[in-house]
Amino acid sequence: EPEVTQTPSHQVTQMGQEVILRCVPISNHLYFYWYRQILGQKVEFLVSFYNNEISEKSEIFDDQFSVERPDGSNFTLKIRSTKLEDSAMYFCATEGARGAVGETQYFGPGTRLLVL
Amino acid sequence: QKEVEQDPGPLSVPEGAIVSLNCTYSNSAFQYFMWYRQYSRKGPELLMYTYSSGNKEDGRFTAQVDKSSKYISLFIRDSQPSDSATYLCAMRGGGFKTIFGAGTRLFVKA
Repeated sequence: EPEVTQTPSHQVTQMGQEVILRCVPISNHLYFYWYRQILGQKVEFLVSFYNNEISEKSEIFDDQFSVERPDGSNFTLKIRSTKLEDSAMYFCATEGARGAVGETQYFGPGTRLLVL
Repeated sequence: QKEVEQDPGPLSVPEGAIVSLNCTYSNSAFQYFMWYRQYSRKGPELLMYTYSSGNKEDGRFTAQVDKSSKYISLFIRDSQPSDSATYLCAMRGGGFKTIFGAGTRLFVKA
């Protein structure tokens, strides 16, 4: 069964450093998402991406965050200057055709980011 | 009022019991309703997906959506210890943003 993959599985970084989280979507999917889950809290939407541009973003997704699909396969989330409060699990999700029967978002296993 | 409310539990049941999990919501624009299962430190795994109101059954799982009451449910029949996990309800309208509930922790005792 096709699946979403994410790398790295774990990342430890110093406050103020830049990190890039990577996702390989399911091959025929068109819509891409990033979510985060702070330990013990609920899953929160960050951003959605379609046709090489951001389609919607939350208030969490401020100027320190950016997303891109640099090579047509990987989908990346960059955090420019990490803060302690960015420590969380980051999930990539991808979706085929929105609104189609049975279609919805499939999640990757996540990247656990720890900012020291 | 939160957009999506879900009792965090924990909910503990004996093996074989019928489990009922619920969420309420406030945004009448929500059209798509999902249930995900999440094991500790793993990604959410899609269990059920429903568009608009009605029931949907898949094996031991039944999802119900009552848009008039803004209430959704997931029923698990013949619960197994392997069903022990956190169950997340999630929903969205016509846009891209999906809102998740806090998740209900379920323990099924053998």
